[in-house]
Amino acid sequence: GAVVSQHPSWVICKSGTSVKIECRSLDFQATTMFWYRQFPKQSLMLMATSNEGSKATYEQGVEKDKFLINHASLTLSTLTVTSAHPEDSSFYICSASRSKTSGAYNEQFFGPGTRLTVL
Amino acid sequence: GNSVTQMEGPVTLSEEAFLTINCTYTATGYPSLFWYVQYPGEGLQLLLKATKADDKGSNKGFEATYRKETTSFHLEKGSVQVSDSAVYFCALSDVLLTEKLTFGTGTRLTIIP
Repeated sequence: GAVVSQHPSWVICKSGTSVKIECRSLDFQATTMFWYRQFPKQSLMLMATSNEGSKATYEQGVEKDKFLINHASLTLSTLTVTSAHPEDSSFYICSASRSKTSGAYNEQFFGPGTRLTVL
Repeated sequence: GNSVTQMEGPVTLSEEAFLTINCTYTATGYPSLFWYVQYPGEGLQLLLKATKADDKGSNKGFEATYRKETTSFHLEKGSVQVSDSAVYFCALSDVLLTEKLTFGTGTRLTIIP
């Protein structure tokens, strides 16, 4: 149980186009989803946190107009990279947690990631 | 702010060797500490965790002890197997304040038969 999928697993696009990445919790309802970005040989950097039905909370330095996040249901969140440029090329990873227990760790379950290459 | 410093890789060991991957952290408050593992082509999986000082997390033969005095959470395994080849991430979260995870850079481990 607690499987998270991402689609597509890799995508190549031209500069200036927009790309949508889907993150799905397959066997549980995700109250919170997270989007990370990973550069080669670097750690995962949190981009934003989203709760179902509300606006995402972006980390400092992340452009919300460039990285559009939608969490329309308890099993699906999408990240849209708008007007992509080569510097947006990266590995994007989502995670989902299924409950909110105050003061306790709500385990995050991770997707396998999506590699975006912008030409 | 919070940060995690992790032993740089890659690490290559022979099967049945002893493994240590070092991890130290900087945090305000009282963080929980985690080790995540990422097998090829898969998402990160929680390997073990410790929520307070002196706690020992363990799973699949791996262990890590939360050392507040040295701000460390080193990962150890007594006898590694080829199937342990993966990337290992140390992470922390101040669960009383946030669900956010702060990750180290990851250590790629390769076990050769």
